[in-house]
Amino acid sequence: DAGITQSPRHKVTETGTPVTLRCHQTENHRYMYWYRQDPGHGLRLIHYSYGVKDTDKGEVSDGYSVSRSKTEDFLLTLESATSSQTSVYFCAISGTGEGNEQFFGPGTRLTVL
Amino acid sequence: GQSLEQPSEVTAVEGAIVQINCTYQTSGFYGLSWYQQHDGGAPTFLSYNALDGLEETGRFSSFLSRSDSYGYLLLQELQMKDSASYFCAVRDRGTTDSWGKLQFGAGTQVVVTP
Repeated sequence: DAGITQSPRHKVTETGTPVTLRCHQTENHRYMYWYRQDPGHGLRLIHYSYGVKDTDKGEVSDGYSVSRSKTEDFLLTLESATSSQTSVYFCAISGTGEGNEQFFGPGTRLTVL
Repeated sequence: GQSLEQPSEVTAVEGAIVQINCTYQTSGFYGLSWYQQHDGGAPTFLSYNALDGLEETGRFSSFLSRSDSYGYLLLQELQMKDSASYFCAVRDRGTTDSWGKLQFGAGTQVVVTP
């Protein structure tokens, strides 16, 4: 299994509070991604990174920011959490192989009350 | 933009064969991938097709027709452990910086019954 971990695994927070989720990899892969997964929507890309300090927006980036100061860490911040951000968040990593196989972390279940 | 369509649910009995279709619309296209996700788990990679034709990996096969913007995942000799969600995903041609971007379909829940 790819070495990818997420923390925390579960979090309950209140509306309006900032929240940071961490993704850590030991594979030295260039690409890292944050997705959210909600019933009926599959996996939707929030932000991704194509290198240290190189990030770009995905399809559902509003209300989220990211940072990548080291190859191994990719942080996702909800600046002011809202109930609509209650979701399961997955981090993924990939190299540059033709198949673009992505390896997913175990997920973080976030509940915003 | 891109969009992918796949059925929401398929039910079949153990030992049967299931085909999950995926149609896509994309401004650029590199390839079609398939992922499996069990309840409560993380998605895991199953297959990737960049060229037309059938790719076989054990009981699972994946097919692509680029001219029809269509692909499918074929699950043979279904087992109870195959009950899961299956997602198709397209890799966007995009720019160099979007080399690794995937867009996922909404997923097909496969229910295997005894």
